[in-house]
Formats: sequence, C-alpha cells, structure tokens
Amino acid sequence: DAGITQSPRHKVTETGTPVTLRCHQTENHRYMYWYRQDPGHGLRLIHYSYGVKDTDKGEVSDGYSVSRSKTEDFLLTLESATSSQTSVYFCAISEDRSGGYTFGSGTRLTVV
Amino acid sequence: GESVGLHLPTLSVQEGDNSIINCAYSNSASDYFIWYKQESGKGPQFIIDIRSNMDKRQGQRVTVLLNKTVKHLSLQIAATQPGDSAVYFCAENNAGNMLTFGGGTRLMVKP
Repeated sequence: DAGITQSPRHKVTETGTPVTLRCHQTENHRYMYWYRQDPGHGLRLIHYSYGVKDTDKGEVSDGYSVSRSKTEDFLLTLESATSSQTSVYFCAISEDRSGGYTFGSGTRLTVV
Repeated sequence: GESVGLHLPTLSVQEGDNSIINCAYSNSASDYFIWYKQESGKGPQFIIDIRSNMDKRQGQRVTVLLNKTVKHLSLQIAATQPGDSAVYFCAENNAGNMLTFGGGTRLMVKP
C-alpha cells in the first residue's frame, strides 16, 4: 500500500529463534500498530506506538516486543518464536486515534 | 467486553445483484465506523466510513447505513462485480480510542 511497507513479505523460521519484522512509513503519521490475523480471530492488536520511543501493549503482546527509534520505522520482534506465532502480521498507521488506519500488505510468518 | 461483530460469515451473490453486509456493534459510545475490504493475500483496504452524526453515506457503488437505535451498521454494494469478492469487516472507534475490528464476512460473487 502506498506509504507503508512491510518486510519481509514471507518468512519461515525455526522454533526458538528471534525474528524481527519491519514496518516503514513515508506518511509521517504519529501512530503505528502491529496486528496479527488468524482464522477465527480476526485482527488482534499486538503493540502500538504513539510516537518515537512511545509504545504500549495490545491484547496479545506476550512473546512480542517493539521498538520505534524513528517516526518512519516500527519494528516487531518475536524474542523466541513459537509455533503459535505462525500468523499473518499487519502493520497499520494513522494520523490520530479518532480516524481510520492504513494497512500494509502483511508478512506471512511460519514458525516450524 | 464490548465488541464488533458480523451476522453472516459468508455471503454468496450473483454478479450484477446488490450485496448487503451487516455488522452489529455493542458499544453505544462508538462515534466512528469504517468498512474495510481485504482481498486474498493483501492488507485491509479502506472502503468507506461514517460518523455517528450521520445515518447514511454514499461512495462509488457503496453505501454505508448506520442505525444507532439498534447499533447496526451495513454496507451495500450495488451491481456486485467479481472484483468485489473479498472479506469485508467493519471497525468502530470509541471517542478517540483504537479501532475495534469485527471478524469479517466473506463475499463470493458468482458469474
């Protein structure tokens, strides 16, 4: 999607390894979010950021950490990947909290 | 907790017919609603939004209706096309809090 890029698009990793997913935006939006999407669960918020070095947990934050050292980049790290973290991960951005979000194209992560 | 939900998990329509996708929400304080479309292998894409001070909003071939009395939201797609096949889900925002997303309805368009 225009203005927001996720990398990698696909990744296969082994259980117990650390994994970092990257979200990059060119919109200069203040808010950035990481979601995971699983069948039967819809979109679930992992972590979000409301500014550089300002982050907070979402509803499914266990096993994940984030960092935002620059406005344009929001990193999601799986500290020690587990099979339950096999999912599609979406990053989203927004100018403020009262409006809509723009989503990236997603990262499909498989933990074997 | 309060949540956003959808009545029909799968909707199958004939090409050219109109489609109606429904969503029920439980948070009466929600003041902003969005419909997203998600095609296979892609991220959710904004379709149309509506604020709580409106009952209806129209876009190109799409209309969103909001009934605050029964806390119901619907998306109408006119003259449904094969390219409309996707998962549609609604989202609500409560006074500046983060969006809460529904589970999604799959729309299948038969040629």
